[in-house]
Amino acid sequence: NAGVTQTPKFQVLKTGQSMTLQCAQDMNHEYMSWYRQDPGMGLRLIHYSVGAGITDQGEVPNGYNVSRSTTEDFPLRLLSAAPSQTSVYFCASGKAEINEQFFGPGTRLTVL
Amino acid sequence: SQQGEEDPQALSIQEGENATMNCSYKTSINNLQWYRQNSGRGLVHLILIRSNEREKHSGRLRVTLDTSKKSSSLLITASRAADTASYFCATLRMDSSYKLIFGSGTRLLVRP
Repeated sequence: NAGVTQTPKFQVLKTGQSMTLQCAQDMNHEYMSWYRQDPGMGLRLIHYSVGAGITDQGEVPNGYNVSRSTTEDFPLRLLSAAPSQTSVYFCASGKAEINEQFFGPGTRLTVL
Repeated sequence: SQQGEEDPQALSIQEGENATMNCSYKTSINNLQWYRQNSGRGLVHLILIRSNEREKHSGRLRVTLDTSKKSSSLLITASRAADTASYFCATLRMDSSYKLIFGSGTRLLVRP
C-alpha cells in the first residue's frame, strides 16, 4: 500500500493564481481531511469529508474548496492564492470512527 | 481558536529522563489522540484514549485523561535522543461535527 500520497511536494504561486493540491489514499478510508501548518504552529483543519459526496468546513475554510467524488481522492483547490496561504498542507485519512489518522508527507506552498 | 493547547510549548531533557506533556481542551470530546511529528515530516499516530477511559499504556507511552478538568497528559518514560520531535494532541468533539482538532504542540528535545 502507498498509504496517503500528496502531490506536488513543493509549489510556488503568484498572488491570484489558482491551483489544486492532490491527495489520494489506497486504504479504503471513509474519513479524509486537509490541514495547514504554519511555522512553529499546530495543524488547523481546513475541510474534511466523511465519505464520497460529503464534505464540510473545518476551522479555516475561506479561500479553499474541496470535493470528494471518489473514496480515494480528496483534492484541495486554492481559488485565488494569497500570501497568507503560504504554509505546509497535510492531507490525512482514517476510518469512519475517526480514530488513527494517516498523514501524507505534505505539500510546501509559497505564495509570492 | 484551537481546541487543544499543549503545555509546555518546549521541553528539553536528558536522555533517560521522563518527559511529560499536557493538553487542555475546551469542549466535550469523543476521544483524544496524541501524534508525533519529526521535523518537516507528516504526523504519526501514537495513542488514542476514549472519553470513558482514564489511562492507557503503549510501550514507553502512558496517557491519562481527566474529563472533569478537560485535560490529558502524555508521559514518555526513559526517553531517547530519537524521541526528539514535536508532539500534538488532537480531540474529536462529542458533537456531530466529525472535526478532529489539533493543539499547538510541544517541542521535545532529548539531549544525548
